[in-house]
Amino acid sequence: DTEVTQTPKHLVMGMTNKKSLKCEQHMGHRAMYWYKQKAKKPPELMFVYSYEKLSINESVPSRFSPECPNSSLLNLHLHALQPEDSALYLCASSPGTQTLGGSGNTIYFGEGSWLTVV
Amino acid sequence: AQKVTQAQTEISVVEKEDVTLDCVYETRDTTYYLFWYKQPPSGELVFLIRRNSFDEQNEISGRYSWNFQKSTSSFNFTITASQVVDSAVYFCALSEASRTGANNLFFGTGTRLTVIP
Repeated sequence: DTEVTQTPKHLVMGMTNKKSLKCEQHMGHRAMYWYKQKAKKPPELMFVYSYEKLSINESVPSRFSPECPNSSLLNLHLHALQPEDSALYLCASSPGTQTLGGSGNTIYFGEGSWLTVV
Repeated sequence: AQKVTQAQTEISVVEKEDVTLDCVYETRDTTYYLFWYKQPPSGELVFLIRRNSFDEQNEISGRYSWNFQKSTSSFNFTITASQVVDSAVYFCALSEASRTGANNLFFGTGTRLTVIP
């Protein structure tokens, strides 16, 4: 079982709605990520938080707003989305520390949140 | 720039056959990491293996084995005696070394494996 937990598993929202995706990990990891995956495509990085600070924003539209309340939690706030934003949203975490052998670089994913915008 | 190529889009095999998934990468970094992930229909990306650029030792884990060759920039994945539960999309990915450990994964386009009973 994954140790990165995402809720909800499925979400249907209208274009005027405001909703949030939530992610939690209890592995003591200090880096957390949001990826977006369209059908039959590889995941694409959206945001990276390192030690609770936003370190990478891959030019994501402002209708997606990340939040990292603490080192275990990561939220993605959604507002005024478009139908083309429908996708699988994957949260992930990594130790976020330099380690011999690079184990700190291994990224572990959650089960994802399937988002449909209508 | 980093790039990962998985030339095989879809592969179908009959149960108990062996199958090899190919992965070729490009990077200018001297230190980097290679990964394989499995994605079943449920959506979760399951971590299978990480290989460091300075460690070319091949690895075997049960029915899974990985062949890393820096000379050809390849990191191939073989499943021996395939089973229906192996049916999934498999992604090869590359990340560069990061001082903080927070880094991006560059994914290949994935190979969809179907194991026919």
